[in-house]
Amino acid sequence: NAGVTQTPKFRVLKTGQSMTLLCAQDMNHEYMYWYRQDPGMGLRLIHYSVGEGTTAKGEVPDGYNVSRLKKQNFLLGLESAAPSQTSVYFCASSYGTSYNEQFFGPGTRLTVL
Amino acid sequence: DAKTTQPTSMDCAEGRAANLPCNHSTISGNEYVYWYRQIHSQGPQYIIHGLKNNETNEMASLIITEDRKSSTLILPHATLRDTAVYYCIVRANNAGNMLTFGGGTRLMVKP
Repeated sequence: NAGVTQTPKFRVLKTGQSMTLLCAQDMNHEYMYWYRQDPGMGLRLIHYSVGEGTTAKGEVPDGYNVSRLKKQNFLLGLESAAPSQTSVYFCASSYGTSYNEQFFGPGTRLTVL
Repeated sequence: DAKTTQPTSMDCAEGRAANLPCNHSTISGNEYVYWYRQIHSQGPQYIIHGLKNNETNEMASLIITEDRKSSTLILPHATLRDTAVYYCIVRANNAGNMLTFGGGTRLMVKP
């Protein structure tokens, strides 16, 4: 039981490049989330999904897109990376609305030059 | 969601109890108090949550005041591995399951 895994762990992009971050969970959770964490700050929600095939915007969705084609996977895409997107990205999952324990992945450290 | 206020940082001696306070004076009746922690460079980890009764699990105890305007997370015997940022989060369980992380308290456990 791996829990929540994230791929890749580190990535360096040039401004304007695109990339996709992959989150996978093996706990059969319905809900999945993408957060970003900037230095010295708390986490901010980018997008989330309440089930396969559904997505919704969080607090800071601009510049990102997401897809949830399979229940166990949640993808975060950056179509045209900007230096302001340099951050650590965390994925999380949970059972559902009434049970709020979220399980977090180890994070992806992204640098945009 | 109700806003929370936590001290920026605290120190605790190894083996002693760590008491982390949180103020949430605008909490609503259907909002729970959650605690998460984040050890350096790792993803946040759930610790405990409660509505109005005190709660205890294998990691910690949560004491909520009778008026629910504040709470305290207690780590009974802090170890060096408890050094982390601790986040107090208040939210209802019927609102999209989103967590709003503030600045948290940086707890330093010292030998």
